Amino acid sequence: DAKTTQPPSMDCAEGRAANLPCNHSTISGNEYVYWYRQIHSQGPQYIIHGLKNNETNEMASLIITEDRKSSTLILPHATLRDTAVYYCIVRVEGGGFKTIFGAGTRLFVKA
Amino acid sequence: DTAVSQTPKYLVTQMGNDKSIKCEQNLGHDTMYWYKQDSKKFLKIMFSYNNKELIINETVPNRFSPKSPDKAHLNLHINSLELGDSAVYFCASSRGTRSNEQYFGPGTRLTVT
Repeated sequence: DAKTTQPPSMDCAEGRAANLPCNHSTISGNEYVYWYRQIHSQGPQYIIHGLKNNETNEMASLIITEDRKSSTLILPHATLRDTAVYYCIVRVEGGGFKTIFGAGTRLFVKA
Repeated sequence: DTAVSQTPKYLVTQMGNDKSIKCEQNLGHDTMYWYKQDSKKFLKIMFSYNNKELIINETVPNRFSPKSPDKAHLNLHINSLELGDSAVYFCASSRGTRSNEQYFGPGTRLTVT
C-alpha cells in the first residue's frame, strides 16, 4: 500500500471549513484514497473514499489532485464534535486493511 | 439503531482466564472483521469472515478463536489470556470482501492483570 503523509495536528474554528491534506505521491493506478476518523474512545468511522474524481457525501468532500499524488478532506462546517484524529489511507479495493491508522491528523475544532 | 455493537465495552480479567467478546451488526453486511488496536493506536486486522466463512486469518495466536454463528454475528473467544493481550478490540463490517468502506463497533477495552 502506498505511504501517506499527513500533518500531525490542525486547528479549526467552529463553523469554518476544515481542510485536511494528505500526500500519497507513490499511489498506484488501482489504489483508492480512504478517509476515516477516530473520535476519542470510539471506534473508527468511515468518512469518504475516492479513486480520481472528487467526491461528496453528507459528511465531507474529498478533493483529489489530477496527478493523484495528494488529496484534501473538507469538512464544510466543522463542529466541536468533529474533533478527532483523521486518517488518510491508500488501498486497493477489497480484502480489508492489514495495518492501518497510527499517525493521522489530530483536528481540534475550537469554539 | 446501533449499526455495529460489541459487548462488553470493558473487560478486566486475570492472566490465564478465558473470555469472549461478542459482536453484532444490523447493516445486512456480508463481511465482518476483528481488529486489535495497540497503545500506539495502530489498528491491525486479526480475522475476517464472509458469510460465516473465514477469509482472513492474520498471524494471530491459536488462543484466539473467532466464531460466526450467522453473518450478523462474529464473536471472539480468547483462551489463556496473557498480559500482552491487553488492548482495544474492534469489530467491523462491510458490504462485501471487495469493500473497504467498513463500519466499526465501539470497541472492547481488554485489560489483563
